[in-house]
Amino acid sequence: DGGITQSPKYLFRKEGQNVTLSCEQNLNHDAMYWYRQDPGQGLRLIYYSQIVNDFQKGDIAEGYSVSREKKESFPLTVTSAQKNPTAFYLCASSYRTGNYGYTFGSGTRLTVV
Amino acid sequence: QKEVEQNSGPLSVPEGAIASLNCTYSDRVSQSFFWYRQYSGKSPELIMSIYSNGDKEDGRFTAQLNKASQYVSLLIRDSQPSDSATYLCAVKAANNNDMRFGAGTRLTVKP
Repeated sequence: DGGITQSPKYLFRKEGQNVTLSCEQNLNHDAMYWYRQDPGQGLRLIYYSQIVNDFQKGDIAEGYSVSREKKESFPLTVTSAQKNPTAFYLCASSYRTGNYGYTFGSGTRLTVV
Repeated sequence: QKEVEQNSGPLSVPEGAIASLNCTYSDRVSQSFFWYRQYSGKSPELIMSIYSNGDKEDGRFTAQLNKASQYVSLLIRDSQPSDSATYLCAVKAANNNDMRFGAGTRLTVKP
């Protein structure tokens, strides 16, 4: 079955540590996205990529980095520069053109300990 | 002004009633409109999409779009306790693939 897989489901980060969240899709979607969701709030765009080897900053990119070396994969690194990283992180994918919605992964809940 | 605005709720309706969820958007060139359902602790799930003015029905769900008023709504008929969730309105512009989300409306359906 086609889908989008995020791992791990739960992640704990120590102060000053970089962590990487995985996102893999087998839907043959061109575009991939990373969102952050804080309790009781909407989704805020961190980074997005429309094609391989290209990505753009979203509204809250500071303290995060991404890569897009393969069409299927779009990992997100939360760096030590991100001062308040505790949140629910959602990866999504879609076709690059047309009136299509996004398909979301199951999310990664990151907690700073 | 937020790009996509929703009443945060909570909205509470009795089982069997009609739940009405509303959303307004600021970008007049918006072309595609979506409703996502998000259960607590889970990821959003696409339930409706609408692109033209008027109504679009799918089972117990009806999406309504009025581009002149920059308004989109979701009606849930015969509401069930399993409909209790947060509903996110999302809007996509015509000239890019960037989707903007509202903060969501939390719906509770009481048995």
